[in-house]
Amino acid sequence: DQQVKQNSPSLSVQEGRISILNCDYTNSMFDYFLWYKKYPAEGPTFLISISSIKDKNEDGRFTVFLNKSAKHLSLHIVPSQPGDSAVYFCAASEGGGSNYKLTFGKGTLLTVNP
Amino acid sequence: NAGVMQNPRHLVRRRGQEARLRCSPMKGHSHVYWYRQLPEEGLKFMVYLQKENIIDESGMPKERFSAEFPKEGPSILRIQQVVRGDSAAYFCASSLKKTVPSYEQYFGPGTRLTVT
Repeated sequence: DQQVKQNSPSLSVQEGRISILNCDYTNSMFDYFLWYKKYPAEGPTFLISISSIKDKNEDGRFTVFLNKSAKHLSLHIVPSQPGDSAVYFCAASEGGGSNYKLTFGKGTLLTVNP
Repeated sequence: NAGVMQNPRHLVRRRGQEARLRCSPMKGHSHVYWYRQLPEEGLKFMVYLQKENIIDESGMPKERFSAEFPKEGPSILRIQQVVRGDSAAYFCASSLKKTVPSYEQYFGPGTRLTVT
């Protein structure tokens, strides 16, 4: 039972254009959502997060949108750069005492072409 | 300030052998989390430890798997009598305090275990 789903295994965009990565979830108890970026042979690194009380969070070129009613979130990267090429994981956690327990999607491989 | 260290980076074991994976958290961090990534899957939570204590092992298989985080030294994830299905990447993360919220977990580069 996949509670966090990233249905696009890969995405290819041109440098300078917008990258949109999507994520759906099924667990209504999730109240915190994160995006991690992973390069080959490295561990995931935190990129941006959003609490369930918000619908948008922005940090430089990265913006995360949350639609609670649709149980959907997306990561927008604009403008995309070749250095953004990596696997992007969507993750979520429940509130309360087990908020340390992250549930990850399978990831989306983003390729930004020069 | 060194990040989370994991060793070995690659480990090959034959079926039935034991695998020991080590994780040294970031300096000053006393909370450690282990995750497993099976092929074509996302990372899955296994266990959360503080120094000398297992706080939550709800994601760890009931048999053959154990974890510890001694007062001195790295955290160890131990897999006894490995089977092919244990082949995966094992990631360790650490945090300064119990994660509130979750982004404060810093991940190591992982150990890729291959069981032949």
